[in-house]
Amino acid sequence: ILNVEQSPQSLHVQEGDSTNFTCSFPSSNFYALHWYRWETAKSPEALFVMTLNGDEKKKGRISATLNTKEGYSYLYIKGSQPEDSATYLCASLAAGNKLTFGGGTRVLVKP
Amino acid sequence: DTEVTQTPKHLVMGMTNKKSLKCEQHMGHRAMYWYKQKAKKPPELMFVYSYEKLSINESVPSRFSPECPNSSLLNLHLHALQPEDSALYLCASSQDSLGFQPQHFGDGTRLSIL
Repeated sequence: ILNVEQSPQSLHVQEGDSTNFTCSFPSSNFYALHWYRWETAKSPEALFVMTLNGDEKKKGRISATLNTKEGYSYLYIKGSQPEDSATYLCASLAAGNKLTFGGGTRVLVKP
Repeated sequence: DTEVTQTPKHLVMGMTNKKSLKCEQHMGHRAMYWYKQKAKKPPELMFVYSYEKLSINESVPSRFSPECPNSSLLNLHLHALQPEDSALYLCASSQDSLGFQPQHFGDGTRLSIL
């Protein structure tokens, strides 16, 4: 069983502040890490797919880093806006080409 | 607008009913997925189709029967479901099933079993 853990489970951020949260995954048998944003009443939206140790990806005010040796990824939101409120899911790809999702971090940005 | 369309959005059915969930994509993706998501839990993979062939079945009970009539459509046939099968069922697609391409999700079908 592949354990993918996300922390914290939820966080409140003041509008304009920056924040970050963590995804932990087994470092052995690692192939790729996915990040998705899931807004209420919408479908999950792909943010990044990362494969290389030390890789950094950026999309607007959202960025992510990857450490495959120690098995973690950080997602950063710079200058949080109310529209960033969502659940952020990470998923690890292991052998068998199956994604295993973490429990998500629910972000609420307060105006 | 989501590029993966799921119907119906909501479904209430009894334990003796037979119903089907439908999923459609026109992005030319060759891999399609069914996930089950219970409240406050992460999505759990059920089935993967690659080039219209079933490639992964995550030991799903036979009361769930997937079908891929063509490269754009994915169905999930339901029969004799149990109350614990009540959940959000998500369909997704990707360019291939290798896992290095992002998955595109539908809005899901919220299923309630009476």
